[in-house]
Amino acid sequence: AQKVTQAQTEISVVEKEDVTLDCVYETRDTTYYLFWYKQPPSGELVFLIRRNSFDEQNEISGRYSWNFQKSTSSFNFTITASQVVDSAVYFCALARDNYGQNFVFGPGTRLSVLP
Amino acid sequence: SQTIHQWPATLVQPVGSPLSLECTVEGTSNPNLYWYRQAAGRGLQLLFYSVGIGQISSEVPQNLSASRPQDRQFILSSKKLLLSDSGFYLCAWSPLSGQGPATEAFFGQGTRLTVV
Repeated sequence: AQKVTQAQTEISVVEKEDVTLDCVYETRDTTYYLFWYKQPPSGELVFLIRRNSFDEQNEISGRYSWNFQKSTSSFNFTITASQVVDSAVYFCALARDNYGQNFVFGPGTRLSVLP
Repeated sequence: SQTIHQWPATLVQPVGSPLSLECTVEGTSNPNLYWYRQAAGRGLQLLFYSVGIGQISSEVPQNLSASRPQDRQFILSSKKLLLSDSGFYLCAWSPLSGQGPATEAFFGQGTRLTVV
């Protein structure tokens, strides 16, 4: 069975602090895909990144960076120099490489960035 | 470019009343379509997904049903709403239908349903 765990329910930081959101996944598949989504107060989920299981290279996009560690089944997300606009719920998700493509989402981490 | 439309944005319905939420996708063909529910303060629960017209898979037994009458239209329905049906409903699509690498899903803006 597939499962995504985000152990941090809520995190509060002060603006300009760095913050890391943890994601641990479980799957028996050798090919799978990992995602991060942001859900601002408006409710719509915004896609941030997709990573396949064969690509363990870490990625940086502006203030965002992702650390994929297959050995520990983790796909952590770091925001550098956080801003108030980063306040949102962040979801980690796992998808199989098969017909139907079901996404399994973690429970989400609510990030509050205080001014 | 592809867009997804979901309506209504908010809905207040009495217990026992019917429900119909509609979602349409533009700018693509043969997408995978999904309905998710997010209860207050909770994660996303997949309710239904569809890989083609008339093909619906249900993930959890519930008071809801889904239909896909057209390639880019996905409808979530209920004959009689329960209090427990309250939540935030999100429609989503992904660009690949069939076998192949998983791609990201794109979400609509959601419908906040309150059953009273």
